[in-house]
Amino acid sequence: DGGITQSPKYLFRKEGQNVTLSCEQNLNHDAMYWYRQDPGQGLRLIYYSQIVNDFQKGDIAEGYSVSREKKESFPLTVTSAQKNPTAFYLCASSITGTVYGYTFGSGTRLTVV
Amino acid sequence: KQEVTQIPAALSVPEGENLVLNCSFTDSAIYNLQWFRQDPGKGLTSLLLIQSSQREQTSGRLNASLDKSSGRSTLYIAASQPGDSATYLCAPRDFGNEKLTFGTGTRLTIIP
Repeated sequence: DGGITQSPKYLFRKEGQNVTLSCEQNLNHDAMYWYRQDPGQGLRLIYYSQIVNDFQKGDIAEGYSVSREKKESFPLTVTSAQKNPTAFYLCASSITGTVYGYTFGSGTRLTVV
Repeated sequence: KQEVTQIPAALSVPEGENLVLNCSFTDSAIYNLQWFRQDPGKGLTSLLLIQSSQREQTSGRLNASLDKSSGRSTLYIAASQPGDSATYLCAPRDFGNEKLTFGTGTRLTIIP
């Protein structure tokens, strides 16, 4: 079955460490996105990529980095510069073009300990 | 900048009732609008995608309407069931870019 796989499901990070969240899709979608979800707030866009080897900052990119070396993969690194990284992270993909919707993964819950 | 509001923030209704969830957005220049369902601790499941040229979209007991000029969309759920309990999110896709903007959602509880 086609879909988006996020791993790990749960991730614990110590203060000062960088961690990388994985997002893989086999839907042959061009565009991929990372969102952050906090309690009581809507999803906020961190980074997005519409083609391989290119990506753009979203609304809250500070303290995060991404790469898009393959169409299927869009990993997100949460760096030590991110002051409040504890959150639920969601990856999504879509076909570039206006008539198509987004498909989301099952999310990664990151906790700083 | 697009802003999305969903009212009410929470809703509890007895099983079997019909209900309406509301979504309003500030910028009517959109390509389409997507309704999602989110269960606790889970990802988002797409329910309906309604294009800017459409007025309605239906899937089973769900019906979404879109009034782009007034910046409003509604999700109608018929004959509600306990399994419908979840948070419902709407997200318009802005004209000129590929990004969705989300509201904070409506948390729906269906009482058996």
